[in-house]
Amino acid sequence: EAGVAQSPRYKIIEKRQSVAFWCNPISGHATLYWYQQILGQGPKLLIQFQNNGVVDDSQLPKDRFSAERLKGVDSTLKIQPAKLEDSAVYLCASSFSQETQYFGPGTRLLVL
Amino acid sequence: DAKTTQPTSMDCAEGRAANLPCNHSTISGNEYVYWYRQIHSQGPQYIIHGLKNNETNEMASLIITEDRKSSTLILPHATLRDTAVYYCIVRAYNNNDMRFGAGTRLTVKP
Repeated sequence: EAGVAQSPRYKIIEKRQSVAFWCNPISGHATLYWYQQILGQGPKLLIQFQNNGVVDDSQLPKDRFSAERLKGVDSTLKIQPAKLEDSAVYLCASSFSQETQYFGPGTRLLVL
Repeated sequence: DAKTTQPTSMDCAEGRAANLPCNHSTISGNEYVYWYRQIHSQGPQYIIHGLKNNETNEMASLIITEDRKSSTLILPHATLRDTAVYYCIVRAYNNNDMRFGAGTRLTVKP
């Protein structure tokens, strides 16, 4: 069974630029999550989708972060404009209904 | 905030059992204990979870105390590839908000 796919694996941008990350969940998983992991810390949930609807985006900085899952499969997370403190690993995870979450390899973002 | 307490780091000799403790004294009756690990530069990997009974799978064993206030993850024969950060997480079955703490950095030494 293929796992959660993410791209790109690495991205370097300058502050105030925009960036987008892509995630393809495990086939059949209706629930998709985006996490932010700052160096030395555990992952922090940013947003959760159930199919194409948002379930929880309470920790998403909505002034600069946005995410969508238009067809209920792939998802994109965007940052515009990026700040230095956005440097982190962005992890995508998926689950079948409310069960165990499976994580992708993450996208490592460096904002200069 | 994470609802669990774990040691910051631990060492283990290769081939020996690694026993990773976790305290979750405020756990509720409907909350499960989940364990994930994160190997350097990879996403977190699911290991095992349990409610109140001890659990075992091909990766590890999970021992939960009778009062459910603490648990221990056991890797029976640690290898160098088990070096990772191990996260203990408490969550209700229908609550997808997994609160990761800082975890325990396990180093398996030859």
